[in-house]
Amino acid sequence: AQTVTQSQPEMSVQEAETVTLSCTYDTSESDYYLFWYKQPPSRQMILVIRQEAYKQQNATENRFSVNFQKAAKSFSLKISDSQLGDAAMYFCAYRSAFSRPGRNNDMRFGAGTRLTVKP
Amino acid sequence: ETGVTQSPTHLIKTRGQQVTLRCSSQSGHNTVSWYQQALGQGPQFIFQYYREEENGRGNFPPRFSGLQFPNYSSELNVNALELDDSALYLCASSFERGVGRYGYTFGSGTRLTVV
Repeated sequence: AQTVTQSQPEMSVQEAETVTLSCTYDTSESDYYLFWYKQPPSRQMILVIRQEAYKQQNATENRFSVNFQKAAKSFSLKISDSQLGDAAMYFCAYRSAFSRPGRNNDMRFGAGTRLTVKP
Repeated sequence: ETGVTQSPTHLIKTRGQQVTLRCSSQSGHNTVSWYQQALGQGPQFIFQYYREEENGRGNFPPRFSGLQFPNYSSELNVNALELDDSALYLCASSFERGVGRYGYTFGSGTRLTVV
């Protein structure tokens, strides 16, 4: 079964600086999708960035980028120029590319990293 | 386009009671997934509904059941509530075409407290 591990329960960053959140996963599959979600106090999970495993190029979305190391099964999130609004819980998630009706359809989440941004 | 809406936002129930949580999926989405998120933990998959049929289930007992309606909205029912059922219940919708490449759109959740 696929598992997702986030080894940093809490992280802190100074406003305008850069922070990296770590995520590792375990899978025997060759094709899958990885996600980072942000959950602010409003509770709604917001998709930050998505990576397709068959693409070697790391995904970027404005100030957010990932370092995807497929062989190491590592998927870290880098937040540049951190802003106060970035403070939230961040969840790494995995989803198989082989999802089919009735089989293996869930998205697996890590335990999360709480990011604090200091002014 | 409208997002995912869940109701109610908060709920307090007594142990042994039954509860129904509701979710309206995002316009154009045909799949709804339900997750349980205990305090300080990541979401745990309960089940998924695709075209009104259960399409996968996590490690939850049968007293957790669900429905999906023709308009793709969904309900989560929990019978014989236990104290450990206290959690945030998240609904997520997506458009699935048989390959799980898409991320989900989440609602803001229902906070269930069992006393």
